[in-house]
Amino acid sequence: GQQLNQSPQSMFIQEGEDVSMNCTSSSIFNTWLWYKQDPGEGPVLLIALYKAGELTSNGRLTAQFGITRKDSFLNISASIPSDVGIYFCAGQPPPSGTASKLTFGTGTRLQVTL
Amino acid sequence: DTEVTQTPKHLVMGMTNKKSLKCEQHMGHRAMYWYKQKAKKPPELMFVYSYEKLSINESVPSRFSPECPNSSLLNLHLHALQPEDSALYLCASSQSAGTVSGNTIYFGEGSWLTVV
Repeated sequence: GQQLNQSPQSMFIQEGEDVSMNCTSSSIFNTWLWYKQDPGEGPVLLIALYKAGELTSNGRLTAQFGITRKDSFLNISASIPSDVGIYFCAGQPPPSGTASKLTFGTGTRLQVTL
Repeated sequence: DTEVTQTPKHLVMGMTNKKSLKCEQHMGHRAMYWYKQKAKKPPELMFVYSYEKLSINESVPSRFSPECPNSSLLNLHLHALQPEDSALYLCASSQSAGTVSGNTIYFGEGSWLTVV
């Protein structure tokens, strides 16, 4: 199925550094969701964005819904070892009266070194 | 409380077995989903149930049979699976099936399936 372009694919950073990742799409979305997935676990919702231009924070995480509705970014400030995992963006198209599908990005694998 | 509970956590089954994966949510959500996820890949949608009716079937082989007994429960019946069906199976739920704005999808922890 369709996937969003998510970059970077992987990152190795040092503890304390800031991290930035983004997703772009050729079509517009009404909702952007950011998930983190640890090995062997299901994706955990980090931040949900519902409005173009919206900037939302959750602790050290900040995400923005792009003004064109075709992109979103996630920033992590002052990374710590437990930030390790795979981060997925996901977009949901405008409602059409029928069930719609969540489109996932390809994931960003984050590894934090001490 | 945003919890989706899946059982079992791990399942090993032979190609001739019949087994089921179960999912439960008590958030009053009216949409429930099954996703399949292979290692290092994003989740892939299999089925969407909206108000207990099947809304989307992503051309999933008939050896996977979903069932929604009520608004809180979702099952995935498995029969005559192949080794390539081994994957993490994720259940998810949301307030609606994307028919309104502001729809947020919450995932369970997943069921690891190994077909031998």
